[in-house]
Amino acid sequence: RKEVEQDPGPFNVPEGATVAFNCTYSNSASQSFFWYRQDCRKEPKLLMSVYSSGNEDGRFTAQLNRASQYISLLIRDSKLSDSATYLCVVNYGQNFVFGPGTRLSVLP
Amino acid sequence: EPEVTQTPSHQVTQMGQEVILRCVPISNHLYFYWYRQILGQKVEFLVSFYNNEISEKSEIFDDQFSVERPDGSNFTLKIRSTKLEDSAMYFCASFRQAYNEQFFGPGTRLTVL
Repeated sequence: RKEVEQDPGPFNVPEGATVAFNCTYSNSASQSFFWYRQDCRKEPKLLMSVYSSGNEDGRFTAQLNRASQYISLLIRDSKLSDSATYLCVVNYGQNFVFGPGTRLSVLP
Repeated sequence: EPEVTQTPSHQVTQMGQEVILRCVPISNHLYFYWYRQILGQKVEFLVSFYNNEISEKSEIFDDQFSVERPDGSNFTLKIRSTKLEDSAMYFCASFRQAYNEQFFGPGTRLTVL
């Protein structure tokens, strides 16, 4: 049973493109939602939390739809440095469940 | 800014040997975690630890695994008799409940030969 699913990727986009990642989760008791970024052979790092009202941090916008159990991340004006794997993470209580990640390559 | 540290960064061991992976979580955090990530695969939860005891563990965390917080600062993961399939990155994380934010250490790469 896959608890958190993401677009399989990889996504290869040119610099400046807008790219969207999708994530679905199966546990309706999930309470908190996050996007993490993971560079090759490095630890996951928190990119942003995701709130029901949607939230934006610079070029990054996250959306949550609890009814559909769906989370998204939009990156505008992508930079070469955005190349990484993006992990959708769902939390209930003190448990954190990671999706498999979607790899993004931003090309010059 | 405080950070989670892990040692060693890379551990090579022979199959059947015991290994201890060490982590120093952020000092005022109360929840600690171990995850593993096999190369090319997703981050998998192993165990969570709170108030000096295991609060939850996954089916991966079998009798070969144990965790300890021996001195109030270090948080260790022991694998008693390593198998080839234990080769992975092992990440420690600590959790700041007030901000619902989890911080990861840089990981230990375990290679079992």
